Amino acid sequence: AQSVTQLDSHVSVSEGTPVLLRCNYSSSYSPSLFWYVQHPNKGLQLLLKYTSAATLVKGINGFEAEFKKSETSFHLTKPSAHMSDAAEYFCVVSANTGTASKLTFGTGTRLQVTL
Amino acid sequence: ETGVTQSPTHLIKTRGQQVTLRCSSQSGHNTVSWYQQALGQGPQFIFQYYREEENGRGNFPPRFSGLQFPNYSSELNVNALELDDSALYLCASSIQGAPGNTIYFGEGSWLTVV
Repeated sequence: AQSVTQLDSHVSVSEGTPVLLRCNYSSSYSPSLFWYVQHPNKGLQLLLKYTSAATLVKGINGFEAEFKKSETSFHLTKPSAHMSDAAEYFCVVSANTGTASKLTFGTGTRLQVTL
Repeated sequence: ETGVTQSPTHLIKTRGQQVTLRCSSQSGHNTVSWYQQALGQGPQFIFQYYREEENGRGNFPPRFSGLQFPNYSSELNVNALELDDSALYLCASSIQGAPGNTIYFGEGSWLTVV
């Protein structure tokens, strides 16, 4: 079975300061990992994905994440937060069960950005 | 804009009724998945359709069923609605194949059961 744990349910940062959203995963084999963002009353937007290529993955809007197998982590970072980054962020692991691709979501981290 | 469109965007149903939600997948995508997102929680996998057949299912009862059509669009049907079925229902499309295949989501259908 695969799972992800998002270590913080809520993170608050000031605009212009770095963002760190933490995620640990559990997988019986080499996982595919994703970060999705969900703005209020909106669907899910893919930020970035890791699929066993480069361990440092760059995404949209200045976000990046580093896959660390030894720590089973896939933390999301951004050097400088913007007000528009305020949203819910989900760490996700993909399980290919036969021919089906099932995404397992973490419980989410709500990012608040203050002036 | 992901190219995945869902309808209706909002609806209210009474307990015991049936509901049908619709999804058009992104052009060229042959696989559709459905997810349920209850308020304040992460999405939960309901099932996936490929080649018009269900080929993966999460922990949801049989009253949750679906269809996929030859043009890859899909429907989610829920019978005997319960209050706990109130949620955002998300459709996702992808291309069947390699691990890490990008999955794109629609903006969802908000279902309220009263």
